[in-house]
Amino acid sequence: KAGVTQTPRYLIKTRGQQVTLSCSPISGHRSVSWYQQTPGQGLQFLFEYFSETQRNKGNFPGRFSGRQFSNSRSEMNVSTLELGDSALYLCASSTLEGDTQYFGPGTRLTVL
Amino acid sequence: AQSVTQPDIHITVSEGASLELRCNYSYGATPYLFWYVQSPGQGLQLLLKYFSGDTLVQGIKGFEAEFKRSQSSFNLRKPSVHWSDAAEYFCAVDSTLGRLYFGRGTQLTVWP
Repeated sequence: KAGVTQTPRYLIKTRGQQVTLSCSPISGHRSVSWYQQTPGQGLQFLFEYFSETQRNKGNFPGRFSGRQFSNSRSEMNVSTLELGDSALYLCASSTLEGDTQYFGPGTRLTVL
Repeated sequence: AQSVTQPDIHITVSEGASLELRCNYSYGATPYLFWYVQSPGQGLQLLLKYFSGDTLVQGIKGFEAEFKRSQSSFNLRKPSVHWSDAAEYFCAVDSTLGRLYFGRGTQLTVWP
């Protein structure tokens, strides 16, 4: 069974632009969670989707948004990029709440 | 509120030596606990998990962890470290609705 895939793997943007990251979960997994990883703040939860509904959201500004499609694939969008948004963005999938989360390789976003 | 503490930011051991990485958690209910490992530029790989039952859990790559409710701890151990174990290790506790709380990580260096 294929693992979690994330595209693109690397991305360079400039301040003020917006970006969309994509995550394809493991087949059969319906929950997708997103995390931001930075050296200063560590791993922080962004949001979680299950069956196209956002069920949980971390403490991030409204510039960070996401969605999930009927095939469980998920996208996250960051608008009006700031230098501090430079990070590794990790996506994880699981079958349901409280189950093990399996992570993708991440998307490395650099904001110049 | 849920939280995870990994008191050791960096640990150095010699190849073949034993290893113990510490993790303390704060959680109101019976926790679901995880250890993940991350190599540079990569996503998180699940080493092992504790949901219930036997408090000593076995994982991949020869790792094990022991859940001690009285000490709110979930320490990771390996009897003999290999150079390929050099990586960053994260302890996590599962909250509700697909949200993991992570510790700040322990960077493991292995001397030949």
